[in-house]
Amino acid sequence: DAGVTQSPTHLIKTRGQQVTLRCSPKSGHDTVSWYQQALGQGPQFIFQYYEEEERQRGNFPDRFSGHQFPNYSSELNVNALLLGDSALYLCASSLDTRGAKNIQYFGAGTRLSVL
Amino acid sequence: AQKITQTQPGMFVQEKEAVTLDCTYDTSDPSYGLFWYKQPSSGEMIFLIYQGSYDQQNATEGRYSLNFQKARKSANLVISASQLGDSAMYFCAMSLSGYALNFGKGTSLLVTP
Repeated sequence: DAGVTQSPTHLIKTRGQQVTLRCSPKSGHDTVSWYQQALGQGPQFIFQYYEEEERQRGNFPDRFSGHQFPNYSSELNVNALLLGDSALYLCASSLDTRGAKNIQYFGAGTRLSVL
Repeated sequence: AQKITQTQPGMFVQEKEAVTLDCTYDTSDPSYGLFWYKQPSSGEMIFLIYQGSYDQQNATEGRYSLNFQKARKSANLVISASQLGDSAMYFCAMSLSGYALNFGKGTSLLVTP
């Protein structure tokens, strides 16, 4: 049973460029969330997708956008990259369940470096 | 606003001993979930244990147990019989809606022989 997979594992971009990160959820999961983890910090919630719609969004600018496909996989797009966007980007998948018990399972992340 | 606080930046424990990692939270919502994740140097966040706000019993998963004290708003992780492979960052997180996870800053645990 494959877990959450993310690609690529590492990426180097320059300021002003655009980047697309990809995520395939755990088998049977229909919900995908994205997090940004700066060095030495806990992950920060970017947004969550369910039924191909953005269901909730954290405190991130519109430069951060996403998409969910009919097979539940997802992409995170970041436009006009800034040096401060350098971080580990984590994707998590879960089953859509009511209430707080929504256990999210994470991939190994994509490490983005902006030069 | 919800907030998670982990006050121990780093902890040391000897192999085979037990260790407690502290976590306090702040929310006025009566329904919430509390989670602990382990993050090895490889980067992947590994789910360890979950506690619901209405759960009467403390959660346990193998060597992991969660010491849930609702009145004190604390959800400490206890790892029994530490192993060298337990060396990692540990994050406490809370969810209100079942959507976003709100994480603390983490505690680095080093298990020594």
